[in-house]
Amino acid sequence: QLHLRESGPRLVKPSETLALTCTVSGDSISITTSYWGWIRQAPGKGLEWIGSIYYGGRTEYNPSLKSRVTISADTSKNQFSLNLGSVTAADTAVYYCARHAASGPLTFDFWGQGTLVTVSS
Amino acid sequence: DIQMTQSPSSLSASVGDRVTITCQASQDISNYVHWYQQKPGKVPKLLIYDASNLATGVPSRFSGRGYGTDFSLTISSLQPEDIATYYCQQYDNLPLMFTFGQGTKLEIK
Repeated sequence: QLHLRESGPRLVKPSETLALTCTVSGDSISITTSYWGWIRQAPGKGLEWIGSIYYGGRTEYNPSLKSRVTISADTSKNQFSLNLGSVTAADTAVYYCARHAASGPLTFDFWGQGTLVTVSS
Repeated sequence: DIQMTQSPSSLSASVGDRVTITCQASQDISNYVHWYQQKPGKVPKLLIYDASNLATGVPSRFSGRGYGTDFSLTISSLQPEDIATYYCQQYDNLPLMFTFGQGTKLEIK
């Protein structure tokens, strides 16, 4: 069974960089049939896709966040990471890592439990 | 960018009622729409994929329909465990992009 778990600081200061890691177990992030993505949900708000990474390091980002986002992978640790720069209070949210297929119906079928990151001084 | 307009934003219904939630895309997106259920404090769960296909393990009282710009999710007979917020989600491959609707919070009367 595939399992994803987010980790990283829960509190980030304004203007700094939010950094989270997703550890994957039960499958390799190097498989060519899956993308590995980040989604966030501000308190009481809806879901927003941040970006995804694919085998070989190919990345795709939400245009609204692209200038501040970097997603990378460490295949030796079976982890992928999110860096979001120049954060403000508007970036306070639950951040989820999730898997979606590389082709066919692009559904998010496995999710981490999510981690609340608060941006505050 | 494609916008997904979901309505209503909240809905109160009785057990046994038929409930319908709609999602309208700002342009033709074929059948590239999924529906998710998110219970309070929980992770979103896939209900319907590609507009009308029931995900594995989802009760048959859930159904989806639509094509092009107009989509809907229907619960044929509302159950207490269906209390949740429901989201539509569209996707595109080129370039890769996912957009969620604003959500519909469903409550029991």
